[in-house]
Amino acid sequence: AQTVTQSQPEMSVQEAETVTLSCTYDTSESNYYLFWYKQPPSRQMILVIRQEAYKQQNATENRFSVNFQKAAKSFSLKISDSQLGDTAMYFCAPWGGTYKYIFGTGTRLKVLA
Amino acid sequence: DGGITQSPKYLFRKEGQNVTLSCEQNLNHDAMYWYRQDPGQGLRLIYYSQIVNDFQKGDIAEGYSVSREKKESFPLTVTSAQKNPTAFYLCASSVGPEAFFGQGTRLTVV
Repeated sequence: AQTVTQSQPEMSVQEAETVTLSCTYDTSESNYYLFWYKQPPSRQMILVIRQEAYKQQNATENRFSVNFQKAAKSFSLKISDSQLGDTAMYFCAPWGGTYKYIFGTGTRLKVLA
Repeated sequence: DGGITQSPKYLFRKEGQNVTLSCEQNLNHDAMYWYRQDPGQGLRLIYYSQIVNDFQKGDIAEGYSVSREKKESFPLTVTSAQKNPTAFYLCASSVGPEAFFGQGTRLTVV
């Protein structure tokens, strides 16, 4: 069974600063993917970044990057140069071969002007 | 435009009534999912379907039912057996590892 833990229910960051959201997971799959999704106040789920577990290189997508530690089963999200539009709930989600996405409880991020 | 459409956006149900939430996708995805979202609990999987005419229970299937008669459609029925149905419901579809989400339906029991 897969489990996901996001230990930071709420975080805040000043505009233009950097913030890191943490996620740990457990999975019995050998080949899997990891995702960060963002849910702004509109409640539309938006893919932020994905990481293939077989790749050692950390994924980067503009201001968003991950720190993937496979042995530790850790998958943190770093947001650089935070913008007001980054204010949202952020969900970590591993995906294995079972066609099920298991989501963490989320981290509510507020970017302060 | 390709995407996932959930309707209605807001739905009100009287206690003891069944209600059906619609989810349609034109992305030609095989897999579809229903999630429930409550404050502080993230997204919990209700049902998922990997292929037409087949579906599996997720973690909180009690009080819900689904059908998958067509590839593009995966309706969710909230039955009177669901004791606390007030929540936000999200439908998703995928081909491979990436999921695409609808805009959700807010169900309120009155």
